Amino acid sequence: DTAVSQTPKYLVTQMGNDKSIKCEQNLGHDTMYWYKQDSKKFLKIMFSYNNKELIINETVPNRFSPKSPDKAHLNLHINSLELGDSAVYFCASSQAVEGTSPLHFGNGTRLTVT
Amino acid sequence: GQNIDQPTEMTATEGAIVQINCTYQTSGFNGLFWYQQHAGEAPTFLSYNVLDGLEEKGRFSSFLSRSKGYSYLLLKELQMKDSASYLCAVIDSNYQLIWGAGTKLIIKP
Repeated sequence: DTAVSQTPKYLVTQMGNDKSIKCEQNLGHDTMYWYKQDSKKFLKIMFSYNNKELIINETVPNRFSPKSPDKAHLNLHINSLELGDSAVYFCASSQAVEGTSPLHFGNGTRLTVT
Repeated sequence: GQNIDQPTEMTATEGAIVQINCTYQTSGFNGLFWYQQHAGEAPTFLSYNVLDGLEEKGRFSSFLSRSKGYSYLLLKELQMKDSASYLCAVIDSNYQLIWGAGTKLIIKP
């Protein structure tokens, strides 16, 4: 009965590799997000999708490409991984695109690039 | 620029009361959230304020003053499990969520 689930929980890989993180929500929400939390614990939005359409695309390298096959899924693909990509990546969903309803977060994917 | 300020770290004693402050300077205001994040876990929603005043929810209360750009989260009857980071986030005029860096709360017995 997990609300927002993302896989994998841990991802250790070498520089230059390509990896994907998957996210699914069963809350019936229309809006999904990808956030990055760095070592200083600062949450930074990367992407926001509403009903499969990209709403927010913050200043993120184009090595990061989100894909939303349907409104319950938002996956994140990362090409040519760099050391600076090491962080915890959170998927989240909410009811309203305006951001006035609470976010429900997945448990995070801890990415370590060596 | 947009800015959210919270203390980096606070320490309190089990059973006591603690107040975590958040001040913000944003382009417009459409609401303020407080989230709790335990170490190694996801943030979870605590409260939402859009009008001035105090919202009480069990041991936790959240206060907002829009004219002062100020909010606080009040935690009563502190328990060890309240040790966590507390994140303040403001919805600006473009309905973008602006996050503070969080306050790490340490509870001592």
